[in-house]
Amino acid sequence: GIQVEQSPPDLILQEGANSTLRCNFSDSVNNLQWFHQNPWGQLINLFYIPSGTKQNGRLSATTVATERYSLLYISSSQTTDSGVYFCAGRPPSGAGSYQLTFGKGTKLSVIP
Amino acid sequence: GAVVSQHPSRVICKSGTSVKIECRSLDFQATTMFWYRQFPKQSLMLMATSNEGSKATYEQGVEKDKFLINHASLTLSTLTVTSAHPEDSSFYICSARASGGMASYEQYFGPGTRLTVT
Repeated sequence: GIQVEQSPPDLILQEGANSTLRCNFSDSVNNLQWFHQNPWGQLINLFYIPSGTKQNGRLSATTVATERYSLLYISSSQTTDSGVYFCAGRPPSGAGSYQLTFGKGTKLSVIP
Repeated sequence: GAVVSQHPSRVICKSGTSVKIECRSLDFQATTMFWYRQFPKQSLMLMATSNEGSKATYEQGVEKDKFLINHASLTLSTLTVTSAHPEDSSFYICSARASGGMASYEQYFGPGTRLTVT
């Protein structure tokens, strides 16, 4: 199966700062999702982004499928952005192709 | 739209008993649902893929007789942890993939169930 590597594993930001989280894949992926897991464990869908760039408020994401990576940008960070950010990808078509493989996450702490 | 619920959110049970966790897609139909397990400070590990009306597909190392999955309708999948032991204590999360008009590969996640076996 594919391997998903996220960096950095931990990140501490001052409120108002910007950051970039990265997700690398060992092989081609047909789609990619970014999630935010809040302190209560709920995974919140941030982006479904097989390729290209999307923006939603202070967050944006870019996936370069041909180079097997995706970036999540957080601008003007707020304390409510704290939590763990996961990326997950789906292998190319075939057996198990609906299944997502998750990275180990980036733990973000935004301090006032 | 695309809301997934789980029940219960938290359960404590005694060793040897069985626990059932429900996963429901509230506003869409889900042909495929997934069950994950997450240990503290770790990532999500896929346990099984559940398809409506057919047997679940389990990942390597997951005991199908211990983790019984039933996907009886397009909006409900259940995970039963049988004869639970303390090592089964974990955070269990389900997800659903929309079918029909909303069909895509995007998965929507439930809020999770924290199981503690004493």
